[in-house]
Amino acid sequence: GALVYQYPRRTICKSGTSMRMECQAVGFQATSVAWYRQSPQKTFELIALSTVNSAIKYEQNFTQEKFPISHPNLSFSSMTVLNAYLEDRGLYLCGAREGGTNERLFFGHGTKLSVL
Amino acid sequence: GQQVQQSPTSLVLQEGENAELQCNFSTSLNSMQWFYQRPGGSLISVFYNPSGTKQSGRLTSTTVIKERRSSLHISSSQITDSGTYLCAMERWGKLIFGQGTKLSIKP
Repeated sequence: GALVYQYPRRTICKSGTSMRMECQAVGFQATSVAWYRQSPQKTFELIALSTVNSAIKYEQNFTQEKFPISHPNLSFSSMTVLNAYLEDRGLYLCGAREGGTNERLFFGHGTKLSVL
Repeated sequence: GQQVQQSPTSLVLQEGENAELQCNFSTSLNSMQWFYQRPGGSLISVFYNPSGTKQSGRLTSTTVIKERRSSLHISSSQITDSGTYLCAMERWGKLIFGQGTKLSIKP
C-alpha cells in the first residue's frame, strides 16, 4: 500500500534558527507533494505544491525564501522553516500523490514544530 | 470567505448518542474527503471522494457534489470517536480544508 513517512514527528527550535523536515513516499511514486501547516487553533493551510519537473508553487503568504522546498526525486521531499519564530509553530503536514491532480493525496503523520 | 464551511464547530455528546457533522462548499469542486484528526495531530482519511451514501462501520457519509454538501454521521458514538473531524475539497489539484468539528464523547 501507499505510505508516507514524515520526520521528525516533533521538534523544538530556538527562535531565529531553522528547522528541516522530511517526507518519504513508500510504495508509490510521489509525482507531486503538498506541504501544509496547521497553526494552533486553526485548520490546515496549503504552503506550496511541488510537482516533479515543474516549478514549486507557493500559496499567498508563503514564500520560497521562508519555506524552501526540495523535491529531488519521486520518493522524497523536504521543507525547511528558515528563521523560525513564534508564529511558525504548528503542525506541518506533507501529502504526496502519484499521477495527476485527480489522484488521492496520502499524508504523513506530520511534524509538530515548537519555537522557544 | 471560507470555501469550506463545517458545522457545528464543536459537539459534545454522551456515549451512545449519534453525531451529525455537516460540510458545505461555496464553490464547485472536483472531489471531497473526510478526515479524522487524532489528538496527536495526524490525519486519518475516513472517506475519500464519496458520492451518494457510503458506510464504513458506524460511520456514514452522504455527499451530493452538485449541491456542494456532505455530511458525516457517526452512530452509537464511543469515547474513542473523540477528536476533530475535517472535511476538505479538492479544486485545481489543491486540497482545501474546513475549520473542523471538535467532537467530544463523554462517558
